[in-house]
Amino acid sequence: DVVMTQSPLSLPVTLGQPASISCRSSQILVFSDGNTYLNWFQQRPGQSPRRLIYGVSNRDSGVPDRFSGSGSGPDFTLKISRVEAEDVGVYYCMQGTHWPWTFGQGTKVEIK
Amino acid sequence: EVQLVESGGGLVQPGGSLRLSCAAYGFTFSSFSMHWVRQVPGKGLESVSAISGNGDNTYYANSVRGRFIISRDNSKNTLYLQMGGLSAEDMAVYYCAREWPPGSNDHWGQGTLVTVSS
Repeated sequence: DVVMTQSPLSLPVTLGQPASISCRSSQILVFSDGNTYLNWFQQRPGQSPRRLIYGVSNRDSGVPDRFSGSGSGPDFTLKISRVEAEDVGVYYCMQGTHWPWTFGQGTKVEIK
Repeated sequence: EVQLVESGGGLVQPGGSLRLSCAAYGFTFSSFSMHWVRQVPGKGLESVSAISGNGDNTYYANSVRGRFIISRDNSKNTLYLQMGGLSAEDMAVYYCAREWPPGSNDHWGQGTLVTVSS
């Protein structure tokens, strides 16, 4: 299985400051169609996962533009330009190129 | 509005069976592949199984292959997960999720908790 390794696992951030989460894949994530199926999810306490980013850098409808995704195999990054209180939660990267789809361990974002 | 509603979770004895359901609303169910993803409370996410829109293709994680069966009834807009040979390692919240675009899950249900205990 493809191993997705996130860092850091815990990220204390000051409100209004930027935050960055890294994700490294153990295999190339380029599918046979040329696309890279790398996604980012946010899970707030007590809620289901919510997708923020798909296809490395495509932001979902309704996701604030302070969230951005970038990267190419094997290193990918989720950036929050200015952290707000509602951004507290656990963030996961996920690859959808190779079955089984696999997730990173999660990065817990909290406010300092 | 897309909505996914899981049901069927509960307490089951080790070695027992359980069938989860996921009712889909607000989209053409048969046009989308669907997934089951589980999460041990307080832990990470694990893809369990997936099925194509017409049900012809199914996929399983190694940890459940041979014990779980994914299926769907497109006439009822419902996804299923038949689970057997359950053990403590299967205790988790089980989410159903829609696949869109390919390689990603855009909508998730609220989850249903499976507890395995004697």
